[in-house]
Amino acid sequence: LAKTTQPISMDSYEGQEVNITCSHNNIATNDYITWYQQFPSQGPRFIIQGYKTKVTNEVASLFIPADRKSSTLSLPRVSLSDTAVYYCLADGGSQGNLIFGKGTKLSVKP
Amino acid sequence: SAVISQKPSRDICQRGTSLTIQCQVDSQVTMMFWYRQQPGQSLTLIATANQGSEATYESGFVIDKFPISRPNLTFSTLTVSNMSPEDSSIYLCSVKLGTMTYEQYFGPGTRLTVT
Repeated sequence: LAKTTQPISMDSYEGQEVNITCSHNNIATNDYITWYQQFPSQGPRFIIQGYKTKVTNEVASLFIPADRKSSTLSLPRVSLSDTAVYYCLADGGSQGNLIFGKGTKLSVKP
Repeated sequence: SAVISQKPSRDICQRGTSLTIQCQVDSQVTMMFWYRQQPGQSLTLIATANQGSEATYESGFVIDKFPISRPNLTFSTLTVSNMSPEDSSIYLCSVKLGTMTYEQYFGPGTRLTVT
């Protein structure tokens, strides 16, 4: 499983768009990029996954360039409730066991 | 999707004792995992709970310390044995619905404090 690197923390204000970038220089051909969100005292929650180009769902967008060495999670118009830790993972799928990095602690201020 | 419950939600235990944590899923799942999250840290995989066979442990974790049972496709237990204060953590179980999916569902966690 590829190691991922993210900023330790980010600050934002309500209503802004937040972009969290993740580096995964050694990503394997069969790895998907997945993002999880974790609130205090809760287990992580799956947000989005992608292989390349752009993926969008009701929560976020995920941008993955052609070389797949990085990815960017985009959260549109964040609110206070988006304050959480966001984890980027390279998931090979078949094994299922996820290797979590340190994550990015996002703080949204009013 | 899958709904996961864990018991107990939290416990305070004395060193030298053991605690068994239960994980119940609302549907049959192929893959089930146990993670540990120490205060302020990320998640670390302890083991994969295999139905009908011995669990597969990650480096640094051993069966004598963290015995795991998985009697069927909806239930698993993790025991933290001979506890020390260093075992104070949140323990989470997670499931994956199939080998071709990437979405993993996590339980709410069990917060363990060892005094």
